[in-house]
Amino acid sequence: DVKVTQSSRYLVKRTGEKVFLECVQDMDHENMFWYRQDPGLGLRLIYFSYDVKMKEKGDIPEGYSVSREKKERFSLILESASTNQTSMYLCASNSGTYYEQYFGPGTRLTVT
Amino acid sequence: GQSLEQPSEVTAVEGAIVQINCTYQTSGFYGLSWYQQHDGGAPTFLSYNALDGLEETGRFSSFLSRSDSYGYLLLQELQMKDSASYFCAVRERGGSYIPTFGRGTSLIVHP
Repeated sequence: DVKVTQSSRYLVKRTGEKVFLECVQDMDHENMFWYRQDPGLGLRLIYFSYDVKMKEKGDIPEGYSVSREKKERFSLILESASTNQTSMYLCASNSGTYYEQYFGPGTRLTVT
Repeated sequence: GQSLEQPSEVTAVEGAIVQINCTYQTSGFYGLSWYQQHDGGAPTFLSYNALDGLEETGRFSSFLSRSDSYGYLLLQELQMKDSASYFCAVRERGGSYIPTFGRGTSLIVHP
């Protein structure tokens, strides 16, 4: 079974803090993704990575950065958290060759 | 840019058949996927259509018409457990699978 795990289910941070969200997949997938999910807005792509140290901006990259130092791990970084970044964050991965995306359980981040 | 349109909400009764539509306007098109997400859960893959026509997997079927930039998910013999959000996702480019998701349709199944 493919497993995508995220470091926290719930996180509460203060405005201005630096926030790290970690994601690990155990199926040697090439592609990894970070989405945020807000009511009525669906899944919006923040960044994705197609290889170690390679990344590409998605639709809403402003205020975020990412890091992929190892194939199995993809981190999302909020350099200076703001209240409008309060959201559900979903990590996902796929093999690149098969058309199925696997999602982690999500991290609900609240910035106060 | 890209645009995917789905109804925001659909309601139906147990045992019925429901169709969730998805229309898309994208710069490229290589396939249409469907995902299901229960409240509090992660999205899970349901189907993928690269060619025109109907693909059937048990109670769920997915249809694609590339000439109409349109697809739908058909759910038959609805059960209460089918209450969830359903997302269509377009694969806009060739090579690696990078999906773009729609805003999702909330399906409510009544007894």
